[in-house]
Amino acid sequence: NIVLTQSPATLSVTPGESVSLSCRASQSISTSIHWYQQKSNESPRLLIKYASQSISGIPSRFSGSGSGTDFTLSINRVESEDFSIYYCQQSYSSLYTFGSGTKLEIK
Amino acid sequence: EVQLVESGGGLVQPGRSLKLSCAASGFTFSNYGMAWVCQAPTKGLEWVASISTGGGNTYYRDSVKGRFTISRDNAKNTLYLQMDSLRSEDTATYYCARLGRGYYFDYWGQGVMVTVSS
Repeated sequence: NIVLTQSPATLSVTPGESVSLSCRASQSISTSIHWYQQKSNESPRLLIKYASQSISGIPSRFSGSGSGTDFTLSINRVESEDFSIYYCQQSYSSLYTFGSGTKLEIK
Repeated sequence: EVQLVESGGGLVQPGRSLKLSCAASGFTFSNYGMAWVCQAPTKGLEWVASISTGGGNTYYRDSVKGRFTISRDNAKNTLYLQMDSLRSEDTATYYCARLGRGYYFDYWGQGVMVTVSS
């Protein structure tokens, strides 16, 4: 199975800062990576598909990049509503897997 | 508006069975693959199983293969997860999710809790 490693596990930032979250795959997966946000006690929400493709209704401060094994979710000027957990997910294999998540918290 | 509403969760003893349902509305159900994703208490997301539009292709994570069965009834716009031989480690919130045009989860239900305990 394809393993996704997210780092850091926790990221402490001040609102207004810009951040980058990492997701590394155990093998090359082209751009078959998707990003989700999960707020406390809520269902996950799709943020980015296929590494860099935007999703309707998602603020433009969220962007994605990468291909092969290294991927990045960037948030430009973090807002208070962005403090939550972020997961990456691969669809290169039909046996989908998620990363363990990065928790974005207020410093 | 796309809606996915899960039901059927609850407390069940180890070794017993449970069947989850997910009622879909707001889109043409038969045109989309569907999936179940679970989340153990305080843990991350885990994909459980997926099914193709017509139900002919199904996929499972290793830990549930042979115990869980995903199915769908396109006439009733409903997705199912039959869970047999339940174990304590199956305790989690189970989400129904739609597979978008591609293989990402573009809509999620609110989740249903399954607790396996004696």
